[in-house]
Amino acid sequence: DAGVIQSPRHEVTEMGQEVTLRCKPISGHDYLFWYRQTMMRGLELLIYFNNNVPIDDSGMPEDRFSAKMPNASFSTLKIQPSEPRDSAVYFCASSLGVGLATPDTQYFGPGTRLTVL
Amino acid sequence: RKEVEQDPGPFNVPEGATVAFNCTYSNSASQSFFWYRQDCRKEPKLLMSVYSSGNEDGRFTAQLNRASQYISLLIRDSKLSDSATYLCVVTPASGGSYIPTFGRGTSLIVHP
Repeated sequence: DAGVIQSPRHEVTEMGQEVTLRCKPISGHDYLFWYRQTMMRGLELLIYFNNNVPIDDSGMPEDRFSAKMPNASFSTLKIQPSEPRDSAVYFCASSLGVGLATPDTQYFGPGTRLTVL
Repeated sequence: RKEVEQDPGPFNVPEGATVAFNCTYSNSASQSFFWYRQDCRKEPKLLMSVYSSGNEDGRFTAQLNRASQYISLLIRDSKLSDSATYLCVVTPASGGSYIPTFGRGTSLIVHP
């Protein structure tokens, strides 16, 4: 398996533009997580899905952020409009269901490094 | 008090040294505990799970102390390649939703 795939790997945009980040989880994993990592705040969970359904989005910073998972193999995180403070590395991770032999193990994608000018 | 706290370091140790990190958590109902390793400009990767009975994998030993609410990671015979940031992860029980909480990480630098 190729692991979790994210695109783009790097994104530079100007304030006010729409940004869409993409993620393909590991096949068969039914949990998908979106994280944001900055030097100031560390790794923060934004939202997670179970079987394509958003379960908890309490970490989404504000209405400018939205996430979707239209099917088991694809998810997007959208920021509209983007602001300089959104600059961070955004990670997508996936895992098998909680409660199996190795519960909660998350496999991370390589991340998208976002810079908003 | 933050939910999950780690000493950011850096811990600067020579090759062959033994080094230990602790991670404290505030939610006594926490269920699952892990150590992840993150190399510079890379994604976090699972290092090991932390079980109540302790867990050893080669040079790495992880332990859980529920009474004092902390987990620890011990690295013996440090290698240059162990240089990285070590993140602890705690998953509390919270109704039907579980939110894994990452610590800020502890930086380890192993020098020749």
